Amino acid sequence: AQKVTQAQTEISVVEKEDVTLDCVYETRDTTYYLFWYKQPPSGELVFLIRRNSFDEQNEISGRYSWNFQKSTSSFNFTITASQVVDSAVYFCALSEGLGGGNKLTFGTGTQLKVEL
Amino acid sequence: GAGVSQTPSNKVTEKGKYVELRCDPISGHTALYWYRQSLGQGPEFLIYFQGTGAADDSGLPNDRFFAVRPEGSVSTLKIQRTERGDSAVYLCASSSHPSTDTQYFGPGTRLTVL
Repeated sequence: AQKVTQAQTEISVVEKEDVTLDCVYETRDTTYYLFWYKQPPSGELVFLIRRNSFDEQNEISGRYSWNFQKSTSSFNFTITASQVVDSAVYFCALSEGLGGGNKLTFGTGTQLKVEL
Repeated sequence: GAGVSQTPSNKVTEKGKYVELRCDPISGHTALYWYRQSLGQGPEFLIYFQGTGAADDSGLPNDRFFAVRPEGSVSTLKIQRTERGDSAVYLCASSSHPSTDTQYFGPGTRLTVL
């Protein structure tokens, strides 16, 4: 069975600090997708990134970067120079296989608070 | 373009009542998903539609929960004999391809059962 663990329940940082959100996953499939979503106080889940299991290349998008390591089953997310607007709950998610609907298994989320 | 929309945004009902929650996916998206999110938790999968048919309903907690998508677009999640434990945010998502494409979520319906 697939599982996603986000061990950090809540992180507080001061604006402009860098912060890394951890995600560890479990799956028996060799083909899968990993995702990060952001859920601001408004409640709507906002898609940030999708990565497939064959692509371990790290990715950078502005202040966001993602580190995918199959050897440790981790898909960590780093925000550089954090801003107050980054305050939200961040979810890591996994979907298995390429056949059929890719239902997502979510972690429990990490609440990020960025303070002035 | 328009994103996924869900109505109502909030629903308060009494224990034992019947409720319907509606989801309007992104135009052209063939795959539609329902999730439930309890306070402090991540969303949990309920059911997935490909077109008009429910391709995977393994997440529905019991037979009080049912969902339809008669024309392959709008979907309705139906809950009979509501219980206080059904209180949660019900999220809908859609994707243009079920296996390979990203799911985009709506704002959710907050259901409160008194």
